[in-house]
Amino acid sequence: LAKTTQPISMDSYEGQEVNITCSHNNIATNDYITWYQQFPSQGPRFIIQGYKTKVTNEVASLFIPADRKSSTLSLPRVSLSDTAVYYCLVGDGGSGTYKYIFGTGTRLKVLA
Amino acid sequence: DAGITQSPRYKITETGRQVTLMCHQTWSHSYMFWYRQDLGHGLRLIYYSAAADITDKGEVPDGYVVSRSKTENFPLTLESATRSQTSVYFCASTENSNEKLFFGSGTQLSVL
Repeated sequence: LAKTTQPISMDSYEGQEVNITCSHNNIATNDYITWYQQFPSQGPRFIIQGYKTKVTNEVASLFIPADRKSSTLSLPRVSLSDTAVYYCLVGDGGSGTYKYIFGTGTRLKVLA
Repeated sequence: DAGITQSPRYKITETGRQVTLMCHQTWSHSYMFWYRQDLGHGLRLIYYSAAADITDKGEVPDGYVVSRSKTENFPLTLESATRSQTSVYFCASTENSNEKLFFGSGTQLSVL
């Protein structure tokens, strides 16, 4: 199974760009990389997904190097409301089982 | 998302009692999942299902039973609740292999 490693926590100030990196050394060929955001007392919510290179949507960008062994979620100009836990999820390791295992996540705190 | 609902939202029970947590999705997604999240920690996969009548164990299946007689429902049963099963339980679903999971709002279970 593709296991992910992320920093446990990060602090940032409002208006700054935040980059959260996830390591996934044993990612399988068919695995996508998906990031989720979770607020307290809520279920995780999809943010962005990519397979390789760069993906951008209205809330974030995702950078994936050529070897795909890591990925970086970039949040431009964060606000207090971006305080949350961010998880990266990497496929099922090519097993075809849909056994999706989450890592510990990164707790982002945005300060005024 | 309104398409996946969990009930009850809160549940208090006693050790040794049987408890069933309900999960219902309206998208006819093939894949459904149960995760537990202990206070201050990440998500751990309990069971998952690839289709009606097909279920499989996740990371922490002991003490839990699932069934999937209909595509839209995926109930989770604690046959004899223990205090260590006090947690927030999240149900999720997805249609295909791109790991874009849709989560319910969660059930907060307390076992006294």
